[in-house]
Amino acid sequence: DVKVTQSSRYLVKRTGEKVFLECVQDMDHENMFWYRQDPGLGLRLIYFSYDVKMKEKGDIPEGYSVSREKKERFSLILESASTNQTSMYLCASSLGQLLEKLFFGSGTQLSVL
Amino acid sequence: RKEVEQDPGPFNVPEGATVAFNCTYSNSASQSFFWYRQDCRKEPKLLMSVYSSGNEDGRFTAQLNRASQYISLLIRDSKLSDSATYLCVVNRKGGSQGNLIFGKGTKLSVKP
Repeated sequence: DVKVTQSSRYLVKRTGEKVFLECVQDMDHENMFWYRQDPGLGLRLIYFSYDVKMKEKGDIPEGYSVSREKKERFSLILESASTNQTSMYLCASSLGQLLEKLFFGSGTQLSVL
Repeated sequence: RKEVEQDPGPFNVPEGATVAFNCTYSNSASQSFFWYRQDCRKEPKLLMSVYSSGNEDGRFTAQLNRASQYISLLIRDSKLSDSATYLCVVNRKGGSQGNLIFGKGTKLSVKP
């Protein structure tokens, strides 16, 4: 069974800190995604990647960057955390071109104080 | 029209009821459609894909209406365990490329 692992379930950071959210998948999937989920707004795509060292902006990339140095790992970076980045962050992966089935990690609830 | 739109609910139904959700999408070039299920404080999981000819999986039936640009999910004989939020998902660009757009979800609560 595919496993997508996010490094932390809960994270508390201070405004201005640099924050790293890590995501690892174990099924050799080509595609990886970072979403955030907020009440009333649903899931919104931040960044995604179709290949190692490749990244594309999603709908709300501002304030975020990503890194994909290895196929199995996709990192989300908050360069200078702000309170409006308090959210549930979900990493996902999928195989191949069809984007048919996204496998999600269990999420990281980030609070920025 | 929003890219993907769903009635947020909540839908409160008794066990055994039949309930249907609709979802509308704005991009006529979209070709991939899905329903995901998300339990409270859990990650979304794929419930079923939606094919042009419609498809059924046990008590769940999904339909696609391209002319009116909506997809539907029908749940028959509702169980308590069906209580969850159901997310409509559509791909943004034509064909299989491009990313997926999630609706905000429809909350279902099945009562004893």
